[in-house]
Amino acid sequence: GENVEQHPSTLSVQEGDSAVIKCTYSDSASNYFPWYKQELGKGPQLIIDIRSNVGEKKDQRIAVTLNKTAKHFSLHITETQPEDSAVYFCAASEYSTLTFGKGTMLLVSP
Amino acid sequence: NAGVTQTPKFRVLKTGQSMTLLCAQDMNHEYMYWYRQDPGMGLRLIHYSVGEGTTAKGEVPDGYNVSRLKKQNFLLGLESAAPSQTSVYFCASSRGLALSYEQYFGPGTRLTVT
Repeated sequence: GENVEQHPSTLSVQEGDSAVIKCTYSDSASNYFPWYKQELGKGPQLIIDIRSNVGEKKDQRIAVTLNKTAKHFSLHITETQPEDSAVYFCAASEYSTLTFGKGTMLLVSP
Repeated sequence: NAGVTQTPKFRVLKTGQSMTLLCAQDMNHEYMYWYRQDPGMGLRLIHYSVGEGTTAKGEVPDGYNVSRLKKQNFLLGLESAAPSQTSVYFCASSRGLALSYEQYFGPGTRLTVT
């Protein structure tokens, strides 16, 4: 089955800095890669996703890049704000289910 | 719309007791999922359903059973709870296949087994 590795497990940045979270996957058949944000005490929520036929996707301050050859994808957050503090999960899907990474706790200090 | 709701929010069980967690969605979604979330382990799929009356095993199905008698509900059962099942349980739903549709998560149920 699919295996998704996510790094780092914890990331601390100053407000206004950029943050990058990286994931690798094992199954070359996977073709959909979403990112979820989980705030304290809540369920995860989709923030951005990318499909295998696209190399990069942006949505305001967040962007995701995908390198299918290397089987890795990354989340980039620019101009971080305190409200970006949360746990971020990457995931991969080949068909009917998602396989999640272990998560990254992002702490943005004012 | 309430989205995805989970009942109960918290529960403490003794080893060997049984319980059922209820997930309900009002978005007419076909797919429903049960995950468990443990510190440092991310979200792991327990069971899922691709439609009313169907269920399938996920990554960590042992010790759990599920039922999808109605499209809007997905039940997760623990027949004989063990301390290893102490976790936060999340239910999610989607319109269809994971590779095509967003999964919407409930607020979670925190279960402690003593």
